[in-house]
Amino acid sequence: EIVLTQSPATLSLSPGERATLSCRASQSVSNYLDWYQQKPGQAPRLLIYDASTRATGIPARFSGSGSGTDFTLTISSLEPEDFAVYYCQQRFNWPPITFGQGTRLEIK
Amino acid sequence: ELQLLESGGGLVQPGGSLRLSCAASGFTFSNYAMTWVRQAPGKGLEWVSAISGSGGHIYYTDSVKGRFTISRDNSKNTLYLQMNSLRAEDTAVYYCAKGGEYKWLDPWGQGTLVTVSS
Repeated sequence: EIVLTQSPATLSLSPGERATLSCRASQSVSNYLDWYQQKPGQAPRLLIYDASTRATGIPARFSGSGSGTDFTLTISSLEPEDFAVYYCQQRFNWPPITFGQGTRLEIK
Repeated sequence: ELQLLESGGGLVQPGGSLRLSCAASGFTFSNYAMTWVRQAPGKGLEWVSAISGSGGHIYYTDSVKGRFTISRDNSKNTLYLQMNSLRAEDTAVYYCAKGGEYKWLDPWGQGTLVTVSS
């Protein structure tokens, strides 16, 4: 089973700042890595698939990069609605599909 | 508009059973794999099960093998999860999602809460 480790666990930033979230895989997942955003009381929403492709309707301030074992989600300039929990997920070696433990992005 | 709507959650005693449903609309249901993911209270996301578009390929996480059964009725555009021998650790919000089998999960339903408690 591939383990995904996200860092940091919590990130405290202010609106307008740049956010950089990391996801590291225990073995290569090629580019089969996706990012999801989850707000309290809501279902997860797909942000990025195949490591770097924005999903439909996702603002350009969200970008993904990486391949193999190291991946990054970047939010270029934080908006108030961006404060949420972010999960990475791999679908290269499955079952099982695995998720990272999440990064909580909170307002500083 | 693509939409997924789960139902069937509730409170059940340990050892009991529940069947979750996920009604799909806005896409050709039979063309896509479907997936169940759960989230225990205050915890992260856990993949539970997936089924191919035809229903011919089925996958489970180890902790539910032999207790849960995923199925689909393509004539009704509906995905199911039959959950038997429920345990306290199965308590979670259960989400259905379009995708799986090497495809990303999008969209997700709103979730249905399953509580296993005496």
